[in-house]
Amino acid sequence: GDSVTQMEGPVTLSEEAFLTINCTYTATGYPSLFWYVQYPGEGLQLLLKATKADDKGSNKGFEATYRKETTSFHLEKGSVQVSDSAVYFCALSVPLWGQNFVFGPGTRLSVLP
Amino acid sequence: ETGVTQTPRHLVMGMTNKKSLKCEQHLGHNAMYWYKQSAKKPLELMFVYSLEERVENNSVPSRFSPECPNSSHLFLHLHTLQPEDSALYLCASSQGDLTSYNEQFFGPGTRLTVL
Repeated sequence: GDSVTQMEGPVTLSEEAFLTINCTYTATGYPSLFWYVQYPGEGLQLLLKATKADDKGSNKGFEATYRKETTSFHLEKGSVQVSDSAVYFCALSVPLWGQNFVFGPGTRLSVLP
Repeated sequence: ETGVTQTPRHLVMGMTNKKSLKCEQHLGHNAMYWYKQSAKKPLELMFVYSLEERVENNSVPSRFSPECPNSSHLFLHLHTLQPEDSALYLCASSQGDLTSYNEQFFGPGTRLTVL
């Protein structure tokens, strides 16, 4: 079945460090790909998305490129801030009746001042 | 109110209690979802409603009973829960049918503790 794999956390960085969170997927169809972020005590918020190969999603300084050849959608940010501390979820959606949204396990990021 | 709202935000209940979680979406979407988020476990999809009809039930125990009276409201009725049911319950909504791409919008969740 469809699945999403993320790098194990927690990830701890100093402020202004470069961030990469790896995400790879397995899908029978042609998925759309997402990154969601969950701040403490809140629900999930859509961070960025890409709907076809080579698309780059970006938001709030975060970027991820849909790589069909490597089935990856790695999240990057050039300079993290303390306020970026949260849990990040990679997800995919395929056009399939029923369960069409699959989330990865999440990666906890802590940014220290 | 905008987006997806959930009430209550926190709930403590005994194993013999009956309670209900409520979700309301103000986005005009036609699909709604219940997820369970436990510590150190992936998000678990529990129920999916599209156009007010249930289209997914991932082997959820019968002590969880969903209800979708209209496209804006979703309930999760709880009865004789177990301590392992303690978790964050998230509601989400999306637009479009389940055969096409559709991003999900989440509520803040209800933190449930079963004593």
